[in-house]
Amino acid sequence: GQQVMQIPQYQHVQEGEDFTTYCNSSTTLSNIQWYKQRPGGHPVFLIQLVKSGEVKKQKRLTFQFGEAKKNSSLHITATQTTDVGTYFCAGMDSSYKLIFGSGTRLLVRP
Amino acid sequence: DGGITQSPKYLFRKEGQNVTLSCEQNLNHDAMYWYRQDPGQGLRLIYYSQIVNDFQKGDIAEGYSVSREKKESFPLTVTSAQKNPTAFYLCASTATGNGNQPQHFGDGTRLSIL
Repeated sequence: GQQVMQIPQYQHVQEGEDFTTYCNSSTTLSNIQWYKQRPGGHPVFLIQLVKSGEVKKQKRLTFQFGEAKKNSSLHITATQTTDVGTYFCAGMDSSYKLIFGSGTRLLVRP
Repeated sequence: DGGITQSPKYLFRKEGQNVTLSCEQNLNHDAMYWYRQDPGQGLRLIYYSQIVNDFQKGDIAEGYSVSREKKESFPLTVTSAQKNPTAFYLCASTATGNGNQPQHFGDGTRLSIL
């Protein structure tokens, strides 16, 4: 079946450093969504990308969707302690179901 | 205040027992979903429903059952056939079932075996 792989599994950074997580699909995706889950909490929707090569920014967060619509990335510039959590990508399959990646857990040293 | 309410927050199951997790939404959303999350892992889809009185199996439906008799309610039963039920269970909804909208999640239920 369709799979969405996400790397790295963990990332531990010093506050102020940048952070990137990557998402790769075995098949072309209709769209990709990104979620953030704080420790002990539930996933919260961040953004959706639909177009090939699309780039969207939310303050220090930059999201990209690959030209082939099979990969995506989330980049955080100058991390803060409030960025701590697990970031998930989720791609929509042909049955309109979301397939979640395994997530990247971000830890930030103050 | 619109949202998704899951209850209970914590649940303990004895061997051979069926337990039911509640999920209620007042967002007037058509589609609802149940996910299972194991420690350090992503979300896996158990069941989903795009409309009242209809639901489909997700990737890991064995040992689980659902019903969708009302638009606002989508309860999940973890049966005794589910041999490893310890996990964090998340309910979510979207306005429609076309996969193009953000998923709104409840706060989850943590299920453990006694």
